[in-house]
Amino acid sequence: EAAVTQSPRNKVAVTGGKVTLSCNQTNNHNNMYWYRQDTGHGLRLIHYSYGAGSTEKGDIPDGYKASRPSQENFSLILELATPSQTSVYFCASGDWGGYAEQFFGPGTRLTVL
Amino acid sequence: AQSVDQPDAHVTLSEGASLELRCSYSYSAAPYLFWYVQYPGQSLQFLLKYITGDTVVKGTKGFEAEFRKSNSSFNLKKSPAHWSDSAKYFCALEGRNNNAPRFGAGTKLSVKP
Repeated sequence: EAAVTQSPRNKVAVTGGKVTLSCNQTNNHNNMYWYRQDTGHGLRLIHYSYGAGSTEKGDIPDGYKASRPSQENFSLILELATPSQTSVYFCASGDWGGYAEQFFGPGTRLTVL
Repeated sequence: AQSVDQPDAHVTLSEGASLELRCSYSYSAAPYLFWYVQYPGQSLQFLLKYITGDTVVKGTKGFEAEFRKSNSSFNLKKSPAHWSDSAKYFCALEGRNNNAPRFGAGTKLSVKP
């Protein structure tokens, strides 16, 4: 079974600070995704990746950067965190092709004060 | 552009009743369609998917969904519903070119014992 882990699980940051959320998957999936979940908005795609070295913008990329240094790891970076980025962030992975389901990590609860 | 609509933010029913959660989509080609479930305080889990072929697909936990090209829908069904089915359900779409996935806003299902 695919395993997707995220760290940290909870994070409190200050406005203007830098935040890095990390994701690791052990199922050798090509595709990885970062979402945020907010009440009333469901899941919104921030960035995604097709493999090591690639990152693509999702629907709401402003204020976020992504990095995929290896097949297993995908990071989300908030260079200058703002209170509007307070949310629950989910990482997911899946096989190439669009027909494969995604496997989700446990989520990271980020609070920006 | 692709989009997913889940018109019912909340659905409440009694245990033993039949449940049907609605999902409609917009996509210019044949879609890949998914349902995921999120139990309170947890991450998302895959339930079922439609790729091609039989328009009724069965998934885990006794759920099934019917793909209807005529009205661009992919409704989730289960009978009878159990109180343990209380959760938030998300419909998702991916395109056949490995396009970015898109999720609906979700439907919160409450099943009263």
